[in-house]
Amino acid sequence: DTGVSQDPRHKITKRGQNVTFRCDPISEHNRLYWYRQTLGQGPEFLTYFQNEAQLEKSRLLSDRFSAERPKGSFSTLEIQRTEQGDSAMYLCASSHGDSRVNNEQFFGPGTRLTVL
Amino acid sequence: GESVGLHLPTLSVQEGDNSIINCAYSNSASDYFIWYKQESGKGPQFIIDIRSNMDKRQGQRVTVLLNKTVKHLSLQIAATQPGDSAVYFCAEIMFSGGYNKLIFGAGTRLAVHP
Repeated sequence: DTGVSQDPRHKITKRGQNVTFRCDPISEHNRLYWYRQTLGQGPEFLTYFQNEAQLEKSRLLSDRFSAERPKGSFSTLEIQRTEQGDSAMYLCASSHGDSRVNNEQFFGPGTRLTVL
Repeated sequence: GESVGLHLPTLSVQEGDNSIINCAYSNSASDYFIWYKQESGKGPQFIIDIRSNMDKRQGQRVTVLLNKTVKHLSLQIAATQPGDSAVYFCAEIMFSGGYNKLIFGAGTRLAVHP
C-alpha cells in the first residue's frame, strides 16, 4: 500500500499525558498537512509543511501542540498535557507539486485520540 | 468568518435512485471546490473537483454542479449503490501562502437502502 499511513490508529490516554502521532506521506509528495476532525464535522486545518519547513499553523494549534517534519518525509504531531477537548480524529494528508492546478490532497486513515 | 456548509445533514435513498447532495459556500474568491467521501474509520477520499470558472463537471457516476450566482455546489450520484453510503463533504480551496488551503463543511451522511 503506497498511500498515506498514520500510526497509531487509536490512542487512549489520561488527561495531562503527552501523546505523539506519526504520519508517513506518499513518498514523492513534498507537501504534508495535519487536520483535526470531531464527530460530525469536517476536518479543520492545523498545519502545513512544504518539505521540512512548517509554513503555516492554524490558531487551533495551541502551544501544547507541536509538529515536525525533520527530514521532509514523515511527520510527527505531539500534544502535551492533553485535555479532554483534544479528543478527536487527527488526519494527515499529503500532496505533490507546486502548481495551483494540483488540488488533490491524499488523506491517511487518521489517529483517533480519546482523552479520559 | 467565511465558511462552507451543507443544507442536509442526512440523506436516505433507495438503491438505484439518483442522489443529490447540496452545499452552500460563502467565499466567492475560492479557486476550486472539491467533494470528498468519508467512510467510517477512514480518511476523506477525493471524488471530484471543479474549477471556479466552470459550472459542471462529470466523472464516473458523479456530476458536480457549481452555481456561483447563489454560491451553491451540488454532487449528483447516479444509480446510487450501497457502497456509496458514507459522509460526503464539500470543501473549498483557496490558494493562499503558496499552497491550496482546504476549508471543509460539516458533511452530509448518505444512507443507501436496498
